[in-house]
Amino acid sequence: EAAVTQSPRNKVAVTGGKVTLSCNQTNNHNNMYWYRQDTGHGLRLIHYSYGAGSTEKGDIPDGYKASRPSQENFSLILELATPSQTSVYFCASGDAGTSSAETLYFGSGTRLTVL
Amino acid sequence: QQKVQQSPESLIVPEGGMASLNCTSSDRNVDYFWWYRQHSGKSPKMLMSIFSNGEKEEGRFTVHLNKASLHTSLHIRDSQPSDSALYLCAAYSNYNVLYFGSGTKLTVEP
Repeated sequence: EAAVTQSPRNKVAVTGGKVTLSCNQTNNHNNMYWYRQDTGHGLRLIHYSYGAGSTEKGDIPDGYKASRPSQENFSLILELATPSQTSVYFCASGDAGTSSAETLYFGSGTRLTVL
Repeated sequence: QQKVQQSPESLIVPEGGMASLNCTSSDRNVDYFWWYRQHSGKSPKMLMSIFSNGEKEEGRFTVHLNKASLHTSLHIRDSQPSDSALYLCAAYSNYNVLYFGSGTKLTVEP
């Protein structure tokens, strides 16, 4: 099974501080995604990437930046963290190949609390 | 507005019973539907996918799809306590991005 590793597992940040969430996948998947999960909202897409050097905005990109420096790594950056960004963040990877029908493989999640 | 809507929000079934979960998309560009299962405190894992009209069965799990109405349903027969989880429906639009619904929380009572 695809391996997606997120770090840190838990993070407490202060309002206005900078937070970086990291994600690494070892399966050479082209596509990587950042979702946040809040009760009642399911998974909401923040940013995604089709490969090294590319980032695209998802449904809720405001307040977040993303970086894909290599095939394996995809980071989510909160330049000025706010309490509304308290959530559980999931990274996922997938390889659609020539089809848009891909299975996503999720990391274990990062629980972020912004005080 | 969410592209994928799920119902019910929560569902309680007795052990051995049948659980039926529903999912509809409001996006006419949707092509494929997926069902993911997320146990409490864990990450989502793909359960089943369906791309064509009709029915697909895998063990105790059956998925139906009606492409004309953009409606899919997941049925779990002989439900077990280990099936208790959040079930997330997801669909692809023509932007090749997967959108998730809010989920149905299933509780199977022994």
